Amino acid sequence: GQNIDQPTEMTATEGAIVQINCTYQTSGFNGLFWYQQHAGEAPTFLSYNVLDGLEEKGRFSSFLSRSKGYSYLLLKELQMKDSASYLCAGSDSNYQLIWGAGTKLIIKP
Amino acid sequence: IAGITQAPTSQILAAGRRMTLRCTQDMRHNAMYWYRQDLGLGLRLIHYSNTAGTTGKGEVPDGYSVSRANTDDFPLTLASAVPSQTSVYFCASSESAGEVNTQYFGPGTRLTVL
Repeated sequence: GQNIDQPTEMTATEGAIVQINCTYQTSGFNGLFWYQQHAGEAPTFLSYNVLDGLEEKGRFSSFLSRSKGYSYLLLKELQMKDSASYLCAGSDSNYQLIWGAGTKLIIKP
Repeated sequence: IAGITQAPTSQILAAGRRMTLRCTQDMRHNAMYWYRQDLGLGLRLIHYSNTAGTTGKGEVPDGYSVSRANTDDFPLTLASAVPSQTSVYFCASSESAGEVNTQYFGPGTRLTVL
């Protein structure tokens, strides 16, 4: 079967660093996406990884280990506006996205 | 402004009624998708279209139908709504199917079936 697992909720402090983990199991694998979704809004694209390693994009970085079926999203210098849900999605052999339930990130001052 | 629009923004519907959710994109994307999002569950694919004139079933297609008469429009129809179809519906598009492409989402339609 196909499955994406990520924690339901995390809490972090403004200015700190947080790592959101995602494990995936898909039939075939064509990469891993991270999206951000603020409450009541649409998901928006953050990052895409298909090769092992770390991709850095400003305060956000995403890591992939294909052998472990594992990814994480790293958010640095947290700001209150980073309070949102973060969705992990794996691209399967048909290039369809299999979505995790999302991790709700709560930022405290 | 380029992007995806959806209508209506929200709707309360009596069970048994027919309802069409509209989705239009102006990015000339070939592929379009309909998802539903429920609390505690990931986005689930209802139907998709790889190109104008073709459609396919996703993970949860029962009770829904779609059409793709042209590139821009991808309406989703609930023939006879049931309370379990209460959800937030997102339309998305990507440049093409059959390869990795970022999906871009519309603002969503919040549907309540009573």
